[in-house]
Amino acid sequence: AQSVTQLGSHVSVSEGALVLLRCNYSSSVPPYLFWYVQYPNQGLQLLLKYTSAATLVKGINGFEAEFKKSETSFHLTKPSAHMSDAAEYFCAVSVDSGYSTLTFGKGTMLLVSP
Amino acid sequence: GAGVSQSPSNKVTEKGKDVELRCDPISGHTALYWYRQSLGQGLEFLIYFQGNSAPDKSGLPSDRFSAERTGGSVSTLTIQRTQQEDSAVYLCASSEGTSYEQYFGPGTRLTVT
Repeated sequence: AQSVTQLGSHVSVSEGALVLLRCNYSSSVPPYLFWYVQYPNQGLQLLLKYTSAATLVKGINGFEAEFKKSETSFHLTKPSAHMSDAAEYFCAVSVDSGYSTLTFGKGTMLLVSP
Repeated sequence: GAGVSQSPSNKVTEKGKDVELRCDPISGHTALYWYRQSLGQGLEFLIYFQGNSAPDKSGLPSDRFSAERTGGSVSTLTIQRTQQEDSAVYLCASSEGTSYEQYFGPGTRLTVT
């Protein structure tokens, strides 16, 4: 079985500051990892995904994440936060190559202050 | 093109009533998923359909929950004898089957009073 832990239900940053959202996973087989973003009253949108290619993955809106097997981590970063980045972010893991039911973390709400 | 749509967007029902939630996936997507998003609990997988195969119902929390997918397209999630703990946002997603990218609808917010 696989699981995801997101450290911090809320993260606050100032506009222009570094964004770091933490995600650690547990998996008995090589995982596929994802970050999704959910804006208020909207569905989830895929930010980026790791599927065993390059360990540094670049996504939309300037976000990137690095897969670190030794640390079982897949933290999400962005060099400079924008007000529009305020949303809830979900890390997810999938291990089945036949079909993909995702196991999600509980989410981290990113708050951006001016 | 059109994304995943869900209806209704909001549903308020009395405890004990049955409800039906609808999902229209992206045209051509063979895989369809239902998730439940409860406050403080994140997203919980409920059920998965892939083509004509038997659905994966391993995430359904009780036998009050059921889902069907007619003609390989539209799906309906039915909750019988609703309880207050069923209050949540129910999200539907679809994908091209073997692709890992799931496209999510906006969800149905269910409130059981």
